[in-house]
Amino acid sequence: NAGVMQNPRHLVRRRGQEARLRCSPMKGHSHVYWYRQLPEEGLKFMVYLQKENIIDESGMPKERFSAEFPKEGPSILRIQQVVRGDSAAYFCASSPVESYEQYFGPGTRLTVT
Amino acid sequence: AQSVTQLGSHVSVSEGALVLLRCNYSSSVPPYLFWYVQYPNQGLQLLLKYTTGATLVKGINGFEAEFKKSETSFHLTKPSAHMSDAAEYFCAVSNNDMRFGAGTRLTVKP
Repeated sequence: NAGVMQNPRHLVRRRGQEARLRCSPMKGHSHVYWYRQLPEEGLKFMVYLQKENIIDESGMPKERFSAEFPKEGPSILRIQQVVRGDSAAYFCASSPVESYEQYFGPGTRLTVT
Repeated sequence: AQSVTQLGSHVSVSEGALVLLRCNYSSSVPPYLFWYVQYPNQGLQLLLKYTTGATLVKGINGFEAEFKKSETSFHLTKPSAHMSDAAEYFCAVSNNDMRFGAGTRLTVKP
């Protein structure tokens, strides 16, 4: 059973470009969570999704950031018009239905130049 | 609202010494509590969790944690540190969603 997959592992974007981060949850998991980790800081919750639904996006910046988890395919975190402050590690986690335990992917490290 | 406080952003111990990483939480309902470990440039790996039942929880790599409701604490311990334990450790509390502490970086000196 493969774990949570994230790609790319490293992503470099220039200011103003778009960044697309992908997350494939573990098999059988229908809940996906995105977190951001800034250097020397802990994990900050961004968004919680189930298939085709955003359940909680209280941690998402109001502008430029969006997330989706379509019926088919991976969850996508999109950052439009990236700025230097978006440089961080973005982690995805998944959990099965009615479980509080989350399984984390290896993360995508975004660098904005 | 639930939250987690990890006391001490950096902890340094000698190899073979006791490891104690502190975590206090606040939650309006009985919480689920977790400790995760993060090695450099990697994702988070679950060390152990408390849901219900026995308050002393044993995890991987010789770690354990005790849920103390009266103290709202869930401190992580290991009797004897190993060099390979050097990593970042995160405490987390979960009801409907999960909230993480800021992390504690453990350094193990030879």
